[in-house]
Amino acid sequence: DGGITQSPKYLFRKEGQNVTLSCEQNLNHDAMYWYRQDPGQGLRLIYYSQIVNDFQKGDIAEGYSVSREKKESFPLTVTSAQKNPTAFYLCASSKWTADSDYGYTFGSGTRLTVV
Amino acid sequence: KQEVTQIPAALSVPEGENLVLNCSFTDSAIYNLQWFRQDPGKGLTSLLLIQSSQREQTSGRLNASLDKSSGRSTLYIAASQPGDSATYLCAASSNDYKLSFGAGTTVTVRA
Repeated sequence: DGGITQSPKYLFRKEGQNVTLSCEQNLNHDAMYWYRQDPGQGLRLIYYSQIVNDFQKGDIAEGYSVSREKKESFPLTVTSAQKNPTAFYLCASSKWTADSDYGYTFGSGTRLTVV
Repeated sequence: KQEVTQIPAALSVPEGENLVLNCSFTDSAIYNLQWFRQDPGKGLTSLLLIQSSQREQTSGRLNASLDKSSGRSTLYIAASQPGDSATYLCAASSNDYKLSFGAGTTVTVRA
């Protein structure tokens, strides 16, 4: 079945450490996204990518970095510069088309905790 | 910037009652609007997508309406069941393909 795989499901980060969250999709979608979810708040966009080797900052990109070397993969690195990284991280993908009938598909998420 | 609001934040109903979830958005120039379901600790599952040219979409017991002029969408769930207990999120898509999310409505259906 086509879908999005995020790993790991749970991740613990020590102060000053960089960690990388994995996101892989086999839907042949062009666009991929990273969102952060905090309790009581809507999802906030961190980074997105429309095509390979190109990506754009979202609303809360500070302290995060991404790469898009393959169409299927869009890893997110949470750097030590991110002061409050504890959150639930969701990866999504969609077609990149002028048609408005595209939808987003989400992964199952990674819960990151600072210890 | 698109702002999306969902009211109420939480809702508790007895089994069998119909559910009405509201979503409002500030910029009517949306591309489409999508409703998602999220179970605790899980990712988002897409329920319905309404294109900007459509007024509603239906899937089983679920029906979603869209009124762009008033900046509103409503999700109706008929004959609720305990398995419908979850958080429901709406998201409006702009012409740059980015989604703006509401904070969600947490639904509890009591058996």
